[in-house]
Amino acid sequence: NAGVTQTPKFRVLKTGQSMTLLCAQDMNHEYMYWYRQDPGMGLRLIHYSVGEGTTAKGEVPDGYNVSRLKKQNFLLGLESAAPSQTSVYFCASSYSPAWGVYNEQFFGPGTRLTVL
Amino acid sequence: GQQVMQIPQYQHVQEGEDFTTYCNSSTTLSNIQWYKQRPGGHPVFLIQLVKSGEVKKQKRLTFQFGEAKKNSSLHITATQTTDVGTYFCAGLRGGGADGLTFGKGTHLIIQP
Repeated sequence: NAGVTQTPKFRVLKTGQSMTLLCAQDMNHEYMYWYRQDPGMGLRLIHYSVGEGTTAKGEVPDGYNVSRLKKQNFLLGLESAAPSQTSVYFCASSYSPAWGVYNEQFFGPGTRLTVL
Repeated sequence: GQQVMQIPQYQHVQEGEDFTTYCNSSTTLSNIQWYKQRPGGHPVFLIQLVKSGEVKKQKRLTFQFGEAKKNSSLHITATQTTDVGTYFCAGLRGGGADGLTFGKGTHLIIQP
């Protein structure tokens, strides 16, 4: 049982390049989330999903897109990377027996992204 | 949007001293969760509080949820070096449409 995994662990991009971060969970959780963590800013929600095929905007969605084609995977895309997107990105998932019920979030190990 | 304020941002204590971090919301929360993140690690769930006035304990950690469900606190008794890290609260408003909002965290630094 791997829990929540993220790939890649590290990445360096040049301004304007694109990339996709992959999050996978093997706990059959309904809810999945993407956060970014910056010094002094805590964890900020980028996008989240309450089930396969659904996505919703969080606090800081601009510049990012997401997809949840399969229940176990949640992809975060950067179409044209900017230096302001340099951050540590965490994926998380949680079990939800009903809509609006948020239980413990399980976090992945994070992806450290640098945009030059 | 919803804001969850957490204080202090940093706390230096001598090993063996107590530590408290506070979380305040501008709106009533359905529940509140607490997480711990060790340096270089990822957040790990500690506890969830749901009921007004709820108090829960985990060994040296005591968690409280305010009567009005707008504030919460985490208190650690007799800190140890293993308590080092950042403690986050995360609040959920009623309805859950917007997900959890995390506070900015309190960094606990322990001096031996």
